Amino acid sequence: EADIYQTPRYLVIGTGKKITLECSQTMGHDKMYWYQQDPGMELHLIHYSYGVNSTEKGDLSSESTVSRIRTEHFPLTLESARPSHTSQYLCASTLGTGLTDTQYFGPGTRLTVL
Amino acid sequence: GQQVMQIPQYQHVQEGEDFTTYCNSSTTLSNIQWYKQRPGGHPVFLIQLVKSGEVKKQKRLTFQFGEAKKNSSLHITATQTTDVGTYFCAGILTGGGNKLTFGTGTQLKVEL
Repeated sequence: EADIYQTPRYLVIGTGKKITLECSQTMGHDKMYWYQQDPGMELHLIHYSYGVNSTEKGDLSSESTVSRIRTEHFPLTLESARPSHTSQYLCASTLGTGLTDTQYFGPGTRLTVL
Repeated sequence: GQQVMQIPQYQHVQEGEDFTTYCNSSTTLSNIQWYKQRPGGHPVFLIQLVKSGEVKKQKRLTFQFGEAKKNSSLHITATQTTDVGTYFCAGILTGGGNKLTFGTGTQLKVEL
């Protein structure tokens, strides 16, 4: 089992609130990713990072922001939550040595915005 | 648009029946990975194929990578209720950097 953690696991919050979803990994992986996934549906890459101080937007436009100040930590922030942000958010990491990297996923955060 | 498609989107089978999901890319893939996501869970890596025409087996699961490296398949023989979940293929598109592109997924339900 991979050592990648996400908190909180579940979050119900009102519209307009600022939230931060935490993701940490203890594997020393360089590359980290955030995906958004509706139940039973495909994964959409919203942010990724190839190392400290490196962040890029993914394929799906998102109003969230990320930071990568430490290798092990890749938090995602929503400045003003809206009902359209209701979804599951999955964090993943890879060692980053090449094309054959396996992605290790955290357990996910299920966000509901009322 | 979506560059890696999977069919079918959903599949219901009786326990003991075989199941196959197909993964098709619009461009050549450097590799293909397969993940399984149980209901309410997160994707878990199953296997990776790298070579053209490669075939790998894991117990009742058989994975194939097409000769042109643009498609792949996962076949499960004699499904069991433990096989329930969504199966995703994922690959690195040629010219797409090192980012993994996930397929649309196939949801498998197994009924007794």
